Amino acid sequence: DTAVSQTPKYLVTQMGNDKSIKCEQNLGHDTMYWYKQDSKKFLKIMFSYNNKELIINETVPNRFSPKSPDKAHLNLHINSLELGDSAVYFCASSLQANSGNTIYFGEGSWLTVV
Amino acid sequence: QKEVEQNSGPLSVPEGAIASLNCTYSDRGSQSFFWYRQYSGKSPELIMSIYSNGDKEDGRFTAQLNKASQYVSLLIRDSQPSDSATYLCAVRPGSGAGSYQLTFGKGTKLSVIP
Repeated sequence: DTAVSQTPKYLVTQMGNDKSIKCEQNLGHDTMYWYKQDSKKFLKIMFSYNNKELIINETVPNRFSPKSPDKAHLNLHINSLELGDSAVYFCASSLQANSGNTIYFGEGSWLTVV
Repeated sequence: QKEVEQNSGPLSVPEGAIASLNCTYSDRGSQSFFWYRQYSGKSPELIMSIYSNGDKEDGRFTAQLNKASQYVSLLIRDSQPSDSATYLCAVRPGSGAGSYQLTFGKGTKLSVIP
């Protein structure tokens, strides 16, 4: 019954590889997000989609490409992985994009680039 | 650049004491404020949300908001060892494209000593 689920939970890969992280929410929410949490635990927004449309695209290398096939899914594809991409990536969702709606997080995907 | 500031800690309190966690934010137009708790290796989970000046209580937790001072705090009464975690303050602006996202502070690590 996981509300926001993401896979894989752990990913170890070599520099230069391309990888994807998948995310699905079963809460019926309109808005989904990708956050990155670095080694210092700083949680920062990367992307946000509202009803499959991109509404937030923070300063993120274009090696990162989100894709939302429908409003329940938001996948993150990363090309040409670099050491600095090692972090925990959290998918999240909220009922609507604005106002005070609570954001619910997935369990995180631990990416290690070696 | 909208910022959310927290003392990174660690904040150590004895079991049964009151833990006080503080947060300041730079965007005066911010309307929604959240406290998330994050255990090591886990995802952030919502503890409290507050939207109006004053206090909001939920069990052992009290959130306090002072918009004039741009300050939000979280009090944890009768602290328990299970409260040991990192507490993240998050702020959402009231309008504009920025209202679609939460800006997180870097978190305060709380340690409750038995």
